[in-house]
Amino acid sequence: DIVLTQSPGTLSLSPGERATLSCRASQSVSRDYLAWFQQKPGLAPRLLIYGATSRATGIPDRFRGSGSGTDFTLTITRLEPEDFAVYYCQQCGSSPYTFGQGTKLEIK
Amino acid sequence: QVQLVQSGSELKKPGASVKVSCKASGYALSSYAMNWVRQAPGQGLEWVGWINTNTGDPTYAQGFTGRFVFSLDTSVNTAFLQISSLKAEDAAVYYCARSYAMDVWGQGTTVTVSS
Repeated sequence: DIVLTQSPGTLSLSPGERATLSCRASQSVSRDYLAWFQQKPGLAPRLLIYGATSRATGIPDRFRGSGSGTDFTLTITRLEPEDFAVYYCQQCGSSPYTFGQGTKLEIK
Repeated sequence: QVQLVQSGSELKKPGASVKVSCKASGYALSSYAMNWVRQAPGQGLEWVGWINTNTGDPTYAQGFTGRFVFSLDTSVNTAFLQISSLKAEDAAVYYCARSYAMDVWGQGTTVTVSS
């Protein structure tokens, strides 16, 4: 199974700052099958990024995905109050599909 | 508007069964695969498996074989997850999510297991 390790576990930042979230895979993941999700308390996850770099419909351009192989990054260029949430990376290129353990982005 | 609407919260006793529904609207169920994802209280996301909505062939993640069963009723554009012989550790929110990309999610169904 491909293990996805996200870091940091918690990231404390202020609105307007830049957030950089990391996702490292235990083996190579095709760029086509690496996604990022945002989840707010009590709500279902929401697809932000698919194919490592493509924004899903309606996702603001401050969300940027990058990376390849075993190292992927989600960058939020300028944090808005609504961006504080938990973020998960996920791979769907190899069964079983797996999620990272999540990064909690909290207001400093 | 494309959406997935899941059935309501369930409270079940240990050993009972539960069937969660996921009704697709705005598109044909058979056009995209359907995934199921579990989230235990305070925990992260765990992939349960997926079902090929054309053939009905299911794929279950390890740890979800035997008691977990996916099914479809394409006449009502609905996918189902049935869990039998419920255990306390099955208590979670269960989500359906469309396609390998998981681009559309249901709102989640909370399954509580308690005597």
